Amino acid sequence: SAVISQKPSRDICQRGTSLTIQCQVDSQVTMMFWYRQQPGQSLTLIATANQGSEATYESGFVIDKFPISRPNLTFSTLTVSNLSPEDSSIYLCSVAGSLSYEQYFGPGTRLTVT
Amino acid sequence: DQQVKQNSPSLSVQEGRISILNCDYTNSMFDYFLWYKKYPAEGPTFLISISSIKDKNEDGRFTVFLNKSAKHLSLHIVPSQPGDSAVYFCAARAINAGGTSYGKLTFGQGTILTVHP
Repeated sequence: SAVISQKPSRDICQRGTSLTIQCQVDSQVTMMFWYRQQPGQSLTLIATANQGSEATYESGFVIDKFPISRPNLTFSTLTVSNLSPEDSSIYLCSVAGSLSYEQYFGPGTRLTVT
Repeated sequence: DQQVKQNSPSLSVQEGRISILNCDYTNSMFDYFLWYKKYPAEGPTFLISISSIKDKNEDGRFTVFLNKSAKHLSLHIVPSQPGDSAVYFCAARAINAGGTSYGKLTFGQGTILTVHP
């Protein structure tokens, strides 16, 4: 399985600002995914990021709020814009494994908005 | 609409005994089901999966059973160990309307497993 790192591991941000989360993979992968886990909730897919194309967003998530970049096959960023306390969550990136149905997750970024 | 449900928020088991974690789903288009384990401050770790055409998959101490008619799956851990204490998530992948699959996983709410020494 791929080794996935995320930066930062946690951050405390003020309302109205933005946070950019980085996801780095130790091998080239086609599909990368960004998930959100709100406190006490399940993991929810925000968007799928394929290299060389626009990210595909799930219902309820929009590009203006969650812009994503995927400049190459080992790296992606997720920006959470115009932060509000409701954005306080753990944000996780994942990659598809060699078996397309498997996904492997990074350690997550814990965001607290004050 | 919660397509994947884990109705037990928590489970407590004695070391050496069997842990059974349950998951129900509603979407008939799910083709693979997966179980993940999550420790605090870490990302989910893939444990075991099962195809919708199978009814059982076993890997060491972990066995997943799928009852397609009941839209129910379960994860059995035997014997349970204190290190198994974590949050367990059931997840499912759907075939889209075009008959192909893409990567989206739909997760249940998780079950906190505590294994007592």
